[in-house]
Amino acid sequence: GQQLNQSPQSMFIQEGEDVSMNCTSSSIFNTWLWYKQDPGEGPVLLIALYKAGELTSNGRLTAQFGITRKDSFLNISASIPSDVGIYFCAGRKDSNYQLIWGAGTKLIIKP
Amino acid sequence: GAGVSQSPSNKVTEKGKDVELRCDPISGHTALYWYRQSLGQGLEFLIYFQGNSAPDKSGLPSDRFSAERTGGSVSTLTIQRTQQEDSAVYLCASSLVGLNTGELFFGEGSRLTVL
Repeated sequence: GQQLNQSPQSMFIQEGEDVSMNCTSSSIFNTWLWYKQDPGEGPVLLIALYKAGELTSNGRLTAQFGITRKDSFLNISASIPSDVGIYFCAGRKDSNYQLIWGAGTKLIIKP
Repeated sequence: GAGVSQSPSNKVTEKGKDVELRCDPISGHTALYWYRQSLGQGLEFLIYFQGNSAPDKSGLPSDRFSAERTGGSVSTLTIQRTQQEDSAVYLCASSLVGLNTGELFFGEGSRLTVL
C-alpha cells in the first residue's frame, strides 16, 4: 500500500545529541502524526499536527507541519537513553481517508 | 478498560492451523483498527471497524483472513490455514470516532509465529 517516505531509516547517536527525522510525500496531507514504538509495545502518539506551518512541542520533542503540506519534521533535543525506539510518522489526506504510515526511523543511542 | 487489550500476547502455531487473535478496545471507542507489523517493518493496515461494521477491509491480504466485531466492542481477527509468511505482530488500535480524528490508541500486539 501507499507509504510516506520517512528518513532516515535508522540513526546511531550519542546521548545528548539532537535528532532530526522527516516524512515526505508527493500528496498533500491535512493531518500529520508522530508516534513512538518501544520494543514489545504498541505505538504511542507523541505529537499531532493539524495545520500547515504548525510547530508543536512536547517536552524535548518538536514537530512541524510543512508549509507545503507534503512533509513533516520531528526533532528531539538532548537525547537520552529512553528515547531509543522506532518513530513513525502518519498522515491523513482528509476525513475520508485512513492514516498512511511511514516505514519508521529506528533511533539507537551509542553507549 | 484503561487501555487496548490484546490476547494472546504470543502465539506459536503450526503451519496450516487456524488462529484467533482478540482485541478489547478502550471502552466507548467506536472505531477499531487491525494492523500487521512484520519484523523491523512499518504498520500494514488490515481492516477498520466503525461500530460492528467494517467499511474498509481493503488491507486483508487474502481470504484466509477475516475479522468481526460484536457489541461494538471486542474484535476477533481470524487467520485460517496459517502460513509462515503470516508470522508478524498483529496490532489493534481504537479511537473515539472514525477516520477523521488523529489519535489511535494501540494495544501491545499479538506476536504470531507460524512454524
